[in-house]
Amino acid sequence: GAGVSQSPRYKVTKRGQDVALRCDPISGHVSLYWYRQALGQGPEFLTYFNYEAQQDKSGLPNDRFSAERPEGSISTLTIQRTEQRDSAMYRCASSEGIPGGMNTEAFFGQGTRLTVV
Amino acid sequence: GQNIDQPTEMTATEGAIVQINCTYQTSGFNGLFWYQQHAGEAPTFLSYNVLDGLEEKGRFSSFLSRSKGYSYLLLKELQMKDSASYLCAVNGGATNKLIFGTGTLLAVQP
Repeated sequence: GAGVSQSPRYKVTKRGQDVALRCDPISGHVSLYWYRQALGQGPEFLTYFNYEAQQDKSGLPNDRFSAERPEGSISTLTIQRTEQRDSAMYRCASSEGIPGGMNTEAFFGQGTRLTVV
Repeated sequence: GQNIDQPTEMTATEGAIVQINCTYQTSGFNGLFWYQQHAGEAPTFLSYNVLDGLEEKGRFSSFLSRSKGYSYLLLKELQMKDSASYLCAVNGGATNKLIFGTGTLLAVQP
């Protein structure tokens, strides 16, 4: 696609339910990042992948959060047993190159607004 | 630890010049980025610095001093549409993850 695509754009879920957020990066982009962004704050790092390998998951808040990118393209961020504090904008970004190399600027999707009620 | 600091808010006048500073402390460094984010929208890339010095791109310039852990974004000939949040981000740490600061909300006044 022309840009980073995230789905759904909006998700309302009941506390205790599992949710899966999808990110479709720009075709051919090697690196893929997941962030969480609160209103008026910068993006908070969650995890990132180079190809299918999860390079760093140190930002995942707890073990209810997980992410995968099995074929090095589409990625899914899963939140199990959602809680109200999980409500936030979840943003995905991708870059053509890997950190330290060329073309490493990240392009962001429009995000998924998650509301846990 | 890793830390990126930038002012929370700034105000400037249309047509003027404004400088937004960013200081960082990371265990590794592979480049510093500036992004612009308008309210309700996704961040968009503005500039990238990996070597010391000034990078100029139209009305926007970005400066980096690696020895001081310091960068600034310079916006010239300010326009009302420049009112936005400006995010400083660093590729750093042992895994070169991309880490963002909290952003500087710039308000351009007539």
